[in-house]
Amino acid sequence: QKEVEQDPGPLSVPEGAIVSLNCTYSNSAFQYFMWYRQYSRKGPELLMYTYSSGNKEDGRFTAQVDKSSKYISLFIRDSQPSDSATYLCAMSAYGNAGNMLTFGGGTRLMVKP
Amino acid sequence: NAGVTQTPKFQVLKTGQSMTLQCAQDMNHEYMSWYRQDPGMGLRLIHYSVGAGITDQGEVPNGYNVSRSTTEDFPLRLLSAAPSQTSVYFCASSYDRVEKLFFGSGTQLSVL
Repeated sequence: QKEVEQDPGPLSVPEGAIVSLNCTYSNSAFQYFMWYRQYSRKGPELLMYTYSSGNKEDGRFTAQVDKSSKYISLFIRDSQPSDSATYLCAMSAYGNAGNMLTFGGGTRLMVKP
Repeated sequence: NAGVTQTPKFQVLKTGQSMTLQCAQDMNHEYMSWYRQDPGMGLRLIHYSVGAGITDQGEVPNGYNVSRSTTEDFPLRLLSAAPSQTSVYFCASSYDRVEKLFFGSGTQLSVL
């Protein structure tokens, strides 16, 4: 079993829809949770960064962390065709040896006009 | 301000050949790292460096070497290429927290 699980998709939605992207994890030591967005043939870019449990909002994006369920989510409101990309969740534990991030495999999102 | 620059963008090697993937950043970041990305596997850490002269192994270091002689550069060397090293390689750097990575645009490597 992978340490971080993410549905690969693709997830296809119409423009304007609310999108929900999710990851589950098994390591209870994870305390930092990130979402990276990766356009085709580009490097990932940091979208959201959260610490511990709770919600964080940035424009149309909301990141949600539920440590008790080992479950994180990214919500995209009023989705746009420009949101079409692969979304990678990533996690790390404070003081983790090697400062390693553990990434999910990514969910491919397609927003159709 | 170019960010993280990787060269080459594409490379084809024969089994047993060696090569160096170049990575340079102009953001004065102390932390630099190399990841490989394979379908369905996510990004996996190969090697990382927390400053000039300091390097350490990540999750999948076998078959790769790194060095960090300057803050700006962090080359990745493939010693004897194998088909299992066919992948997309990303260099990433960070100023303060390892979670807030800036990635390069990647090198697509095929080993025949």
